[in-house]
Amino acid sequence: AQSVTQPDIHITVSEGASLELRCNYSYGATPYLFWYVQSPGQGLQLLLKYFSGDTLVQGIKGFEAEFKRSQSSFNLRKPSVHWSDAAEYFCAVGGGATNKLIFGTGTLLAVQP
Amino acid sequence: DGGITQSPKYLFRKEGQNVTLSCEQNLNHDAMYWYRQDPGQGLRLIYYSQIVNDFQKGDIAEGYSVSREKKESFPLTVTSAQKNPTAFYLCASSPLTGQNQPQHFGDGTRLSIL
Repeated sequence: AQSVTQPDIHITVSEGASLELRCNYSYGATPYLFWYVQSPGQGLQLLLKYFSGDTLVQGIKGFEAEFKRSQSSFNLRKPSVHWSDAAEYFCAVGGGATNKLIFGTGTLLAVQP
Repeated sequence: DGGITQSPKYLFRKEGQNVTLSCEQNLNHDAMYWYRQDPGQGLRLIYYSQIVNDFQKGDIAEGYSVSREKKESFPLTVTSAQKNPTAFYLCASSPLTGQNQPQHFGDGTRLSIL
């Protein structure tokens, strides 16, 4: 079955510290992977995407993610977190003609001053 | 600016009442999607449409209905058959050319029961 797992429901980091959010997927074909961010009461904003090629992808707001096929993972990283990064982060996998996405349950990030 | 507009931002439903959530996009996207978001459950697909006058059920379509009479519009009706409608509803769209294009999201509608 196709699925996305985000093992961490909540993460708290100090401002300026590094961040890694985990994402594991199960998908029968070549996966197309996305990270979205959601501020409270808002829609989702695309941070970055992986379709093919270089397995380390750069996104907006200083985020990057690395695709590891052998581990079925697509973890999101940021070297230095800012207070404005506090939000909920969703990993998603998609593919096929319908462009449907399967979302993980999200990781809520809190940033301590 | 191009984007997706959802209205209203907040909506209240009485018992036995149908309510309709609006979603309009000016991105010229072919595909549109409706998701339901509940705390701790991520986003679940309700319905999607790839072309005008055609749509398909997603994972949790029971108690919902949609229409796609215009490319720009994809309204969602929450019917009285949906017994637990309280949730945050998100509309999204994407192009289909080139496949696997990212979905773009509106700002959502929060539906509550009176």
